[in-house]
Amino acid sequence: GAVVSQHPSWVICKSGTSVKIECRSLDFQATTMFWYRQFPKQSLMLMATSNEGSKATYEQGVEKDKFLINHASLTLSTLTVTSAHPEDSSFYICSAREGGGGNIQYFGAGTRLSVL
Amino acid sequence: QKEVEQDPGPLSVPEGAIVSLNCTYSNSAFQYFMWYRQYSRKGPELLMYTYSSGNKEDGRFTAQVDKSSKYISLFIRDSQPSDSATYLCATPNSGGYQKVTFGIGTKLQVIP
Repeated sequence: GAVVSQHPSWVICKSGTSVKIECRSLDFQATTMFWYRQFPKQSLMLMATSNEGSKATYEQGVEKDKFLINHASLTLSTLTVTSAHPEDSSFYICSAREGGGGNIQYFGAGTRLSVL
Repeated sequence: QKEVEQDPGPLSVPEGAIVSLNCTYSNSAFQYFMWYRQYSRKGPELLMYTYSSGNKEDGRFTAQVDKSSKYISLFIRDSQPSDSATYLCATPNSGGYQKVTFGIGTKLQVIP
């Protein structure tokens, strides 16, 4: 199956710093990547959709300036949490969809962010 | 009404039991249906996907879609403790980017 690699798996940072999370599709080209946030005992909440070479589309209520998304190539998307605060502590998961109109999303292992 | 409804459980079964996990959906335009398995503190792992109605079998897992009742099911035969996880049903929305709507997930515990 298609493999999506996400790094880091766990990051602890001080309040006010920025954190970058990488998402890579290892064996396929991902024209579209998605970023989710998941709180304990809750389902996945879509934050934004990114297409290679264009600006990300953010879901309602998600701050564009807080969560910067870059999809510079067909295999890499990054999420940067800027000026992180304790309320940003969460589990962030990326997924990638194959090009060619496929409907299946393949997920990374997730990144646990803890902001002190 | 949520687009995809799923009982969050938890569901506890003894090892070897047949497990039935279910979801309902509201939009009759949905065509693809997926089941993901998510272990604690990990990303979701695609288990199976089906298109339209019918059954699909893969080892101990069977996915079933009934479009007439907007009902999707995942059956696990001979359940194992390693099957203990949260199972999410999902379906892509209509629209250009094929965003996926997930159920809340059913937490399954298989007791040895």
